Amino acid sequence: AQTVTQSQPEMSVQEAETVTLSCTYDTSESNYYLFWYKQPPSRQMILVIRQEAYKQQNATENRFSVNFQKAAKSFSLKISDSQLGDTAMYFCAFTYSGGGADGLTFGKGTHLIIQP
Amino acid sequence: DSGVTQTPKHLITATGQRVTLRCSPRSGDLSVYWYQQSLDQGLQFLIHYYNGEERAKGNILERFSAQQFPDLHSELNLSSLELGDSALYFCASQQGSGNTIYFGEGSWLTVV
Repeated sequence: AQTVTQSQPEMSVQEAETVTLSCTYDTSESNYYLFWYKQPPSRQMILVIRQEAYKQQNATENRFSVNFQKAAKSFSLKISDSQLGDTAMYFCAFTYSGGGADGLTFGKGTHLIIQP
Repeated sequence: DSGVTQTPKHLITATGQRVTLRCSPRSGDLSVYWYQQSLDQGLQFLIHYYNGEERAKGNILERFSAQQFPDLHSELNLSSLELGDSALYFCASQQGSGNTIYFGEGSWLTVV
């Protein structure tokens, strides 16, 4: 079974700074997808970014980008020019591409606080 | 708006009672997943339905059951409720294997 580890329970940075959240995973599969979800205080789960394992190019979405290192099984999220609205729990998640019936496996999350 | 609709948004009930949580997936999505998020725990996978059939079970208690109907909406039934069942219950839907999984806003269940 796959596991997802987020080693930073909480991080705090100043507004406009860049912050990187870490995620490592363990799987024996070669085809899979990785995601970062954001959960603000409203508790809604919002997709931030998605990465297909077969793609070497790192995914980007505006201020959000990932550093995907397949050999190292690492999938970090970089937030540039951080904003107060980025304050949230961030969950790293994994799913198999070939019929992962269990859906997403989540890490325990990183609580990111953006200070004014 | 993810397109996944969950009702009710909030529910308070007594121990021993039974409740039903409802989920309407995004249009065209055949898969429905249920997750539980307690205050001190991460997201726990409960069960997955695909086009009306159960695909996988996670850490779902025997007191809990689910089904997916022909119109693809799903219901999660929680019975003999205990204080520890208080949690946020998410429904999520997916078009097919490998596609992005989208979450509803969740149903807050408080057992008193």
